[in-house]
Amino acid sequence: AQSVTQLDSQVPVFEEAPVELRCNYSSSVSVYLFWYVQYPNQGLQLLLKYLSGSTLVESINGFEAEFNKSQTSFHLRKPSVHISDTAEYFCAVSPSNSGGSNYKLTFGKGTLLTVNP
Amino acid sequence: DAGVTQSPTHLIKTRGQHVTLRCSPISGHKSVSWYQQVLGQGPQFIFQYYEKEERGRGNFPDRFSARQFPNYSSELNVNALLLGDSALYLCASSQGQMNTEAFFGQGTRLTVV
Repeated sequence: AQSVTQLDSQVPVFEEAPVELRCNYSSSVSVYLFWYVQYPNQGLQLLLKYLSGSTLVESINGFEAEFNKSQTSFHLRKPSVHISDTAEYFCAVSPSNSGGSNYKLTFGKGTLLTVNP
Repeated sequence: DAGVTQSPTHLIKTRGQHVTLRCSPISGHKSVSWYQQVLGQGPQFIFQYYEKEERGRGNFPDRFSARQFPNYSSELNVNALLLGDSALYLCASSQGQMNTEAFFGQGTRLTVV
């Protein structure tokens, strides 16, 4: 079984400030890791993912996340946020082995990022 | 190319009624998963279907059922609706069974009164 903990339910920041959204996970099997973003009244959009290889992954809009296996973390960072980054951010994990187990996505409770002018 | 499409976008039902939600995956995707997102929470896994077979079920009562059709579209059925079933129901599609990249629809907002 997997679980995901997002340590902050709300993160308010000012425009152009740096931000870090924290995510820790627990799993008895190896996992893939994801960050999704949800704008009001919309579905989820994949922001970035870690499957294998380099532990630092980047998105096209300036976000990055680093997989830390020893700390079982996958924190999301952005050096300078914009008003348009205001949204709910969800960290998620999914089993990466091919043993026929349930490949569901397990989500955290979300972090509401509010960027103020 | 069309993304994942869900219908309807919104609906209101009365307690005890039945509801059917529909999802069309991205062309070429063979896996469809359903999630329930209650206000203020992260999505919770309900079902995964791959190649028209159920491959996973979350911790939901038997009132919830689903199926996948030969064209890979899917339906989620909920019987005997309760107030607590009010939520955003999300459909996700992926090429294979493993979730290396799942794409979500806009969701169906179900309100039970």
